[in-house]
Amino acid sequence: EAGVAQSPRYKIIEKRQSVAFWCNPISGHATLYWYQQILGQGPKLLIQFQNNGVVDDSQLPKDRFSAERLKGVDSTLKIQPAKLEDSAVYLCASSFFSSGRKNTGELFFGEGSRLTVL
Amino acid sequence: QQQVKQSPQSLIVQKGGISIINCAYENTAFDYFPWYQQFPGKGPALLIAIRPDVSEKKEGRFTISFNKSAKQFSLHIMDSQPGDSATYFCAAPGRNTGGFKTIFGAGTRLFVKA
Repeated sequence: EAGVAQSPRYKIIEKRQSVAFWCNPISGHATLYWYQQILGQGPKLLIQFQNNGVVDDSQLPKDRFSAERLKGVDSTLKIQPAKLEDSAVYLCASSFFSSGRKNTGELFFGEGSRLTVL
Repeated sequence: QQQVKQSPQSLIVQKGGISIINCAYENTAFDYFPWYQQFPGKGPALLIAIRPDVSEKKEGRFTISFNKSAKQFSLHIMDSQPGDSATYFCAAPGRNTGGFKTIFGAGTRLFVKA
């Protein structure tokens, strides 16, 4: 079974430039997450999709970050304009199901996209 | 803001020793408590998880101990090996409008000395 695919693996940009990251989740996984992991910290949830609908974007800096999940499969996370503090690894994860009543378990992560903003 | 508090921040253990990492959570509605392992340059991967209807779960050298009344759970790595050197994250579900999200602790960087 193929895992979660992410690209690019590495990206270096100047501040105020834009960048986009792509994620292809595991086939059949309805829930998709974007996490931000700053060096030395735990992953922080940016946005959670259930199929193609957003269920949580409370920690997404909406003035500069946007994300979409077209057709409930692939997802793109965009940053425009980037700031120095956006330097981090952006992790995409998927899970089979996350119901309203019970957490059903395991998140499957991609290898991440490392962003450096100069 | 819901939180998951993890300690210690870093840990150095001799080969063959026991590594213990602790985690405290806030919301009593949580029903799934995983530990994730992350190697450099890789995404986190599920190591072991427990549901609160049991107090302990063991898989090989890895054991989760769960204390519901104290709202704490811990990871024990027996006979620690250099290959266990990684960052470990505890996690717990938090509520959102769509149901549940997974909140991670800050991580514990484990180094096992050969």
